[in-house]
Amino acid sequence: GAGVSQTPSNKVTEKGKYVELRCDPISGHTALYWYRQSLGQGPEFLIYFQGTGAADDSGLPNDRFFAVRPEGSVSTLKIQRTERGDSAVYLCASGQENTGELFFGEGSRLTVL
Amino acid sequence: DAKTTQPPSMDCAEGRAANLPCNHSTISGNEYVYWYRQIHSQGPQYIIHGLKNNETNEMASLIITEDRKSSTLILPHATLRDTAVYYCIVRVAGYSTLTFGKGTMLLVSP
Repeated sequence: GAGVSQTPSNKVTEKGKYVELRCDPISGHTALYWYRQSLGQGPEFLIYFQGTGAADDSGLPNDRFFAVRPEGSVSTLKIQRTERGDSAVYLCASGQENTGELFFGEGSRLTVL
Repeated sequence: DAKTTQPPSMDCAEGRAANLPCNHSTISGNEYVYWYRQIHSQGPQYIIHGLKNNETNEMASLIITEDRKSSTLILPHATLRDTAVYYCIVRVAGYSTLTFGKGTMLLVSP
């Protein structure tokens, strides 16, 4: 389809494991965002890419979280040494540069046991 | 970014207009008002945005007060599929990140 695609849709892992979440943005969108959402809360900003570079990573909670976008298209969010508190839905969004009209994917639900 | 205040929940009868309020009393002159909604188990969806003039599109209308301290999102004929959490967001022009609050849970009933 033409929308933002996120994989996996669901991921269950054990505490301490490493996890990668993938985002395929809409073709041609230069801006890409990662958010995470806990139950009953609004999406919380993590990181924003403009092209290949992270323009704003101020939302990453700690150094266990890292994201890349090496070719300016697909992005991977990487979480090391997962903790139970990392359990959430991780949302990816893409858009044109400097626009507030973002297109979100369906999210990847991460459960850390 | 300026903060927004929204009621936690609202009810609306199917076929009626849903009027969702948002207060943003500290909004600056270069900040836009954006509305998104999130249907259960889906990602947020862009609805509409405006600076100071009222705006309308195929989904909704946005009414911004003259002093820009508050706005109202209007769904003219709500349907059951409009049941969702609605987020009002204030965003600085040229700055890309959107900051979401808790939004308003709109329940449309038959």
